Amino acid sequence: GNSVTQMEGPVTLSEEAFLTINCTYTATGYPSLFWYVQYPGEGLQLLLKATKADDKGSNKGFEATYRKETTSFHLEKGSVQVSDSAVYFCPAGGTSYGKLTFGQGTILTVHP
Amino acid sequence: GAVVSQHPSRVICKSGTSVKIECRSLDFQATTMFWYRQFPKQSLMLMATSNEGSKATYEQGVEKDKFLINHASLTLSTLTVTSAHPEDSSFYICSAHYGAGQPFNYGYTFGSGTRLTVV
Repeated sequence: GNSVTQMEGPVTLSEEAFLTINCTYTATGYPSLFWYVQYPGEGLQLLLKATKADDKGSNKGFEATYRKETTSFHLEKGSVQVSDSAVYFCPAGGTSYGKLTFGQGTILTVHP
Repeated sequence: GAVVSQHPSRVICKSGTSVKIECRSLDFQATTMFWYRQFPKQSLMLMATSNEGSKATYEQGVEKDKFLINHASLTLSTLTVTSAHPEDSSFYICSAHYGAGQPFNYGYTFGSGTRLTVV
């Protein structure tokens, strides 16, 4: 089955800093990859996704590229805001619309 | 599009009672619904996968008689925590995948979660 490893948090940044949250996966096939964000007390919101190698997902200033050679899907943002403080997950999706495999999540805190 | 509505958002119940959590897909048909449990500051733990019209598939270690899942229609799945105890207190989240058969437009959408507190 799939497995996902995320950068350990918490990650603490100052506003306008550059953000990278590392995410790597292991899989027998080519899973779809996602980034979700969870604000306190809420469910998960889709941030971006990529369905095949070299795809780049982007949304709200965040972006991630599906790198098959390094089995990675690192999340980046050029300038973070306090409102980006949340928990970020990068699950891998099964190739047959099966269950998502989650890593441990990464807590991001952005200070003014 | 692809919205899942989860209710209630918060519930407090007495030990020994049962609690039902509902998830409805509002604008698509959810053939498959996933139920997760999340402990504070931890990741999501998949409890079970439910398919419309058939029995749910439970993950190892999850008591199927305690966590009853019903997926009777393409728009509604329910999780009932039976004879709840304080250790069942947690955040429960449902999820459904959408866009089956559409490789570039499929994904997984999540409910807003239910905070269950058993006293």
